[in-house]
Amino acid sequence: DAGITQSPRHKVTETGTPVTLRCHQTENHRYMYWYRQDPGHGLRLIHYSYGVKDTDKGEVSDGYSVSRSKTEDFLLTLESATSSQTSVYFCAISGDRGGYTFGSGTRLTVV
Amino acid sequence: AQSVTQPDIHITVSEGASLELRCNYSYGATPYLFWYVQSPGQGLQLLLKYFSGDTLVQGIKGFEAEFKRSQSSFNLRKPSVHWSDAAEYFCAVGASDYKLSFGAGTTVTVRA
Repeated sequence: DAGITQSPRHKVTETGTPVTLRCHQTENHRYMYWYRQDPGHGLRLIHYSYGVKDTDKGEVSDGYSVSRSKTEDFLLTLESATSSQTSVYFCAISGDRGGYTFGSGTRLTVV
Repeated sequence: AQSVTQPDIHITVSEGASLELRCNYSYGATPYLFWYVQSPGQGLQLLLKYFSGDTLVQGIKGFEAEFKRSQSSFNLRKPSVHWSDAAEYFCAVGASDYKLSFGAGTTVTVRA
């Protein structure tokens, strides 16, 4: 989506390997989020950030960590990927009372 | 804690017929409410939002939603669906546009 990009778009990785997903925004929004989308569960919040170096856990944060060293970048790391982390990951930004703007998603498969 | 329930997992509707998607929320104060649409393989796009004021909200693509505080509902409607409306629809609630909670989604199939 305009102003927010995610990379990579697709990734296949092996169980036990570390994986980092990147979210980049050009909107200068304060808030950034990582969600995972799974059938029957909708979108569930993993971690979010309310400023540079300010992050907090969401409802499904176990096995994930995040970092935000610049306003524009929000990284999601799976320290040791497991099959249960196979999912579609969405980054989102907000800050102007217009709701979220979502990235296009990253489809991650852990084999 | 805030939460959203979308009671219908899947709805099938004929092209040209009306559509209504249900959304019930749980929130302790005046909520911010949103509807998003996701086409296959795509990200989520904002259809409409409610912050305050008029309880009938107009959105893009001919959609509207009505906020009913007494029923804790924010149902989405469209008078006449098009084949391109086939997608998954998500309702969301939050204190602002911050830390939204999403429903599980409703998949809409449009038959010719």
